[in-house]
Amino acid sequence: QLVLTQSPSASASLGASVKLTCTLSSGHSSYAIAWHQQQPEKGPRYLMKLNSDGSHSKGDGIPDRFSGSSSGAERYLTISSLQSEDEADYYCQTWGTGLWVFGGGTKLTVL
Amino acid sequence: EVQLVESGGGLVQPGGSLRLSCAASGFTFSSYEMNWVRQAPGKGLEWVSYISSSGSTIYYADSVKGRFTISRDNAKNSLYLQMNSLRAEDTAVYYCASSSWGQGTLVTVSS
Repeated sequence: QLVLTQSPSASASLGASVKLTCTLSSGHSSYAIAWHQQQPEKGPRYLMKLNSDGSHSKGDGIPDRFSGSSSGAERYLTISSLQSEDEADYYCQTWGTGLWVFGGGTKLTVL
Repeated sequence: EVQLVESGGGLVQPGGSLRLSCAASGFTFSSYEMNWVRQAPGKGLEWVSYISSSGSTIYYADSVKGRFTISRDNAKNSLYLQMNSLRAEDTAVYYCASSSWGQGTLVTVSS
């Protein structure tokens, strides 16, 4: 079964970097994912598509501070030079047969 | 600029119906697969339904299968979700999404 696992929460200081993790279930380590950001009281925003080889393509207007990488079944979102507006929920998402599968989301707190 | 604007949400009694619409602009709508995704209050993102660019292929989450119907009108750059036999657990903000997201429309099912 295709499942994405995310830690429920993460925190980092203003100006620092943080690396969020999304883990694909067994047998699905070659799958690409997408990262989405949801700021408080707002709709989600597409950040990037991340392939198993670590290559990624970002959405329009996404700052260079956001980057993606991959290792095995793990997909990472790294945010550098954290700003207050980066405090948000981050969801990973992948594609099954005609459907989207979401991870449970990680709530990022900027200290 | 890519824009997706949902409408049609509101308060409906259990067992009732609603039709959601999503107006697309700023991109070639007819070339894109589209999805409906929902978010219950305080919860994560849940995929609801998928439709191919031509409308010939459609998928539903098990939770809505047989009650919801997705459709599109490429001539009108519009996506629809017909929701019948609504239940309290269908209460959520509903988003249309491709690689961009709309702002969402709230559906509340309550007596």
